[in-house]
Amino acid sequence: EAEVAQSPRYKITEKSQAVAFWCDPISGHATLYWYRQILGQGPELLVQFQDESVVDDSQLPKDRFSAERLKGVDSTLKIQPAELGDSAMYLCASSFGHPIRSTDTQYFGPGTRLTVL
Amino acid sequence: GESVGLHLPTLSVQEGDNSIINCAYSNSASDYFIWYKQESGKGPQFIIDIRSNMDKRQGQRVTVLLNKTVKHLSLQIAATQPGDSAVYFCASGGRRALTFGSGTRLQVQP
Repeated sequence: EAEVAQSPRYKITEKSQAVAFWCDPISGHATLYWYRQILGQGPELLVQFQDESVVDDSQLPKDRFSAERLKGVDSTLKIQPAELGDSAMYLCASSFGHPIRSTDTQYFGPGTRLTVL
Repeated sequence: GESVGLHLPTLSVQEGDNSIINCAYSNSASDYFIWYKQESGKGPQFIIDIRSNMDKRQGQRVTVLLNKTVKHLSLQIAATQPGDSAVYFCASGGRRALTFGSGTRLQVQP
């Protein structure tokens, strides 16, 4: 069964350092999402890609966060510099891919647990 | 803005009983609803979804009910098993990506 892959699974870093997370969506899925999940809460969208283009990054803190999906397949989310409040689970999801309406089922990866000290 | 909320943070049921997890949404424009199960340290796992042109959909041991009049969604799990213990999230979608509620923790007592 195809799955969304993420790495690393866990990351511990000190504040002001740079961190990067990687995601490989299910093969053939055009839409890719990055979510942040704070402990005890539901996931919140950071950025959404359709192929290689960003279709929604309105909730991405652009002063420190960046995301790219250069070839429209795998994606990288970067934080520089990391802050204490960035400690959370970072989830990647993919769907077959309508660029605007969210009616395609989103499948999530296992997430990257980030701890900022 | 759109918000999705759950009525109870924790639900405790006996093994073998049926479980009902409720969810309210606020955006009348939402036309897609989905339930996820999330076990500790793992990503959300798709359970079942429903579109706004339906009011009921069944899967294996799960049923989702949608009441658009009162903007209410529920997930019913039949014959709850210990493996069903997890946090359950409802989410709604429309013109934007999914908006998630804060989750209900389901505890199954043996």
